[in-house]
Amino acid sequence: DTEVTQTPKHLVMGMTNKKSLKCEQHMGHRAMYWYKQKAKKPPELMFVYSYEKLSINESVPSRFSPECPNSSLLNLHLHALQPEDSALYLCASSQVGMNTEAFFGQGTRLTVV
Amino acid sequence: GQQLNQSPQSMFIQEGEDVSMNCTSSSIFNTWLWYKQDPGEGPVLLIALYKAGELTSNGRLTAQFGITRKDSFLNISASIPSDVGIYFCAGQLYPSSGSRLTFGEGTQLTVNP
Repeated sequence: DTEVTQTPKHLVMGMTNKKSLKCEQHMGHRAMYWYKQKAKKPPELMFVYSYEKLSINESVPSRFSPECPNSSLLNLHLHALQPEDSALYLCASSQVGMNTEAFFGQGTRLTVV
Repeated sequence: GQQLNQSPQSMFIQEGEDVSMNCTSSSIFNTWLWYKQDPGEGPVLLIALYKAGELTSNGRLTAQFGITRKDSFLNISASIPSDVGIYFCAGQLYPSSGSRLTFGEGTQLTVNP
């Protein structure tokens, strides 16, 4: 099973709303990632969790708040977003270390109005 | 940071033709990954490469890890309409860059039946 499950698939939110994106994997992976992707562009790394601890934050604005409650779950809490934050948000997971394969979820299409 | 140059940016081919795309980097990687992404979906892992000089096949797909560790190519033989999509290369240098993946800009493939 190489499945990473993201919910919801689509989300429309206002600039004053608070919402959360969820990601789950059961492959025993101990690294989990959040990426942001704009149309026809490559994914841009936002956060990496390694062994449930935040190991990389790519200078992401504080209106994005990640959380890793356990080794299978990853959340991204959203608050006071801007229209330019509209994008496809991708979760991925992998083993920690060399020679690992990262598997992506199907993404959440976020629209901020 | 590391930069990946992926070419060509787009390709328009006839069904049955072979396709080749490549990625080059100014610095080395110890893992190369190739992904395919359909519109509105997450990237799907096609091939993973871990050793310099390694040549790996997955059905009609063949990929190689360059001997200098700074490049990789992906070939698709006898293309079919469902090969349409964006193909991304991604490199990883662990532990220097942690679990971070560096993505190429993508190759948009169109297959005419």
